Order: sequence, then structure tokens, then C-alpha cells
Amino acid sequence: SAVISQKPSRDICQRGTSLTIQCQVDSQVTMMFWYRQQPGQSLTLIATANQGSEATYESGFVIDKFPISRPNLTFSTLTVSNMSPEDSSIYLCSVERWENTGELFFGEGSRLTVL
Amino acid sequence: DAKTTQPNSMESNEEEPVHLPCNHSTISGTDYIHWYRQLPSQGPEYVIHGLTSNVNNRMASLAIAEDRKSSTLILHRATLRDAAVYYCILRDPRTFSGGYNKLIFGAGTRLAVHP
Repeated sequence: SAVISQKPSRDICQRGTSLTIQCQVDSQVTMMFWYRQQPGQSLTLIATANQGSEATYESGFVIDKFPISRPNLTFSTLTVSNMSPEDSSIYLCSVERWENTGELFFGEGSRLTVL
Repeated sequence: DAKTTQPNSMESNEEEPVHLPCNHSTISGTDYIHWYRQLPSQGPEYVIHGLTSNVNNRMASLAIAEDRKSSTLILHRATLRDAAVYYCILRDPRTFSGGYNKLIFGAGTRLAVHP
């Protein structure tokens, strides 16, 4: 299995500020995925991040609000910009350790509360 | 993406078998059937996947209907630790549209296990 570390594990933020979530994987992976899980809801895919190229965003998510970096094959960041209380969610990073298997590994998530 | 339908919730007693159903009547010939589960306060974890034949691993068994329009995840002896939300997801490994290999989560089935 892949070991995925996310930081911070949780944070309380003020409205209007931005927060960057880090995702570190213990081995090189091609694709990294960022999901959001709002309270009591299922997971929603935000974007797919491939090293060396722009992230691909799902419908309803835009780069200005959720900029993503993927500087190398083991690391990615997701920034939640200009936060509002509606952004209070768990943000999860995931990777596909063996390509084309569909077996995703997930981090523990970053729980953000926006006041 | 082809959709899946699962019951919102199910209950089981400890040490009894559990059969979690999933309907996917619009499944295509190349869609794999994946199951993930999410334990409380954790990221999702992979359980099992299959294409046509029934599959077994250390966690569970996957029974796939002959017409592939439905499948059943089988936990042979439920434990308290199996209480989680179980997600049935279809994925076509040939898909490449920027979001290669992405998994789209539905609402899932919340399984409660009673002592």
C-alpha cells in the first residue's frame, strides 16, 4: 500500500483567508487526485493532478478557487482560496499506486472549519 | 460515467454474513466494478474489484451477476470494525480525458454492525 501524509490534519480558518494543504506520498506516482467531502456527504472529485502539467478540474471547481501544484512525483498541494463557511469540509488526497488498476489509496484527510 | 444504485443503509449482527447489493444497469462492457469503504473519521480504503467473474480476497467476496447489471459485496463474518460506508463504483480503465482513472463516488451504503 502507499503511505500518504496530509498536512494539516485539521485547521480552523477565518473567512476570506486561504489555506494550503500538502500531500506527500512515500513513492512516485503519476496521478494524484484531490477530493472534497462535505459534512455528512460522499466524496466529490475536485481535480486530477499530473506532474508537469496543469491540473484537470471537475465541473463546479475552478483553478482560481482551488489552485493545485504538482512539483514532483511524490508531492502535491491544494489551496483553498478566499474561504467561506461553505468550504468547511474534509479535503482528501489520493493516488493510484499501480497504474490502471483503479485501486486508490487515500490520505487521512484535512478537516477545515471556516468561521 | 455509468451510475450505481445502493441502499442508503443496512444493518447486521456481529459474526453474521452481510450482503451489500449494488445495481448498475447501464454498465458498459469495459467497466470494472470497484468497492471501497470508509470507516469513521478515515479516508476511503479499497476493498475489492472485478470485471465478470466472482472475486475473493482477504477482506471480502464480490459476486457479479451474469448480465453484470448488479453485484453484491459479501462480508463473510461481520465484525464491529466493518461498520462503515460502502461505495460501489464503476470505472472504465480505457477512459482518458484529462481525468484518467478517476473514481466517482456515489452516496454509498452505511452499514451498522450490532454486537
